[in-house]
Amino acid sequence: QQPVQSPQAVILREGEDAVINCSSSKALYSVHWYRQKHGEAPVFLMILLKGGEQKGHEKISASFNEKKQQSSLYLTASQLSYSGTYFCGASSGSARQLTFGSGTQLTVLP
Amino acid sequence: DAGVIQSPRHEVTEMGQEVTLRCKPISGHNSLFWYRQTMMRGLELLIYFNNNVPIDDSGMPEDRFSAKMPNASFSTLKIQPSEPRDSAVYFCASSSEMNYGYTFGSGTRLTVV
Repeated sequence: QQPVQSPQAVILREGEDAVINCSSSKALYSVHWYRQKHGEAPVFLMILLKGGEQKGHEKISASFNEKKQQSSLYLTASQLSYSGTYFCGASSGSARQLTFGSGTQLTVLP
Repeated sequence: DAGVIQSPRHEVTEMGQEVTLRCKPISGHNSLFWYRQTMMRGLELLIYFNNNVPIDDSGMPEDRFSAKMPNASFSTLKIQPSEPRDSAVYFCASSSEMNYGYTFGSGTRLTVV
């Protein structure tokens, strides 16, 4: 079953913060986050594994709440380059294959 | 590293024709995935190979679709016969045990008219 992402779309001004949520009805083993720009392939941002810690890289970080079966992606002080569609991908058990959410379209305006 | 290489980048074909999409994963990656992306259905997993063996093909739409991975450096996805509803962007992705993140190829945009 497909993870549910929210919101579906968000518009920000440069420098503002955003949170994108991803929840699943199934017990999660791992959650991946990807960003896709128009006409391009999805690009891997980070992975969170069951039992792992919150991860982050510069101004983009993520958390994984196993009990709630959800993950959140935090974008701090957004830049124009952050614009794109963000997808979460979830796996259950020992499965390597991911089921992706429907995506969140993020637009950062100057 | 050249990344995941897919060919062709664009394919336009007539309904009923056979279409073959190709993928070369990153050297050393032992997992390969085929996904299809459409506006309506998003990113859908078609098939997953591990060490060249198909592990999960539950996403393959029907008998018209088939996929092979004859060796660690090459995979194909074939549609025969093609139908307009197969029009989509088909992505190949690979990953390794050491780094679970997927690396996607540039995709093949298939249009069936």
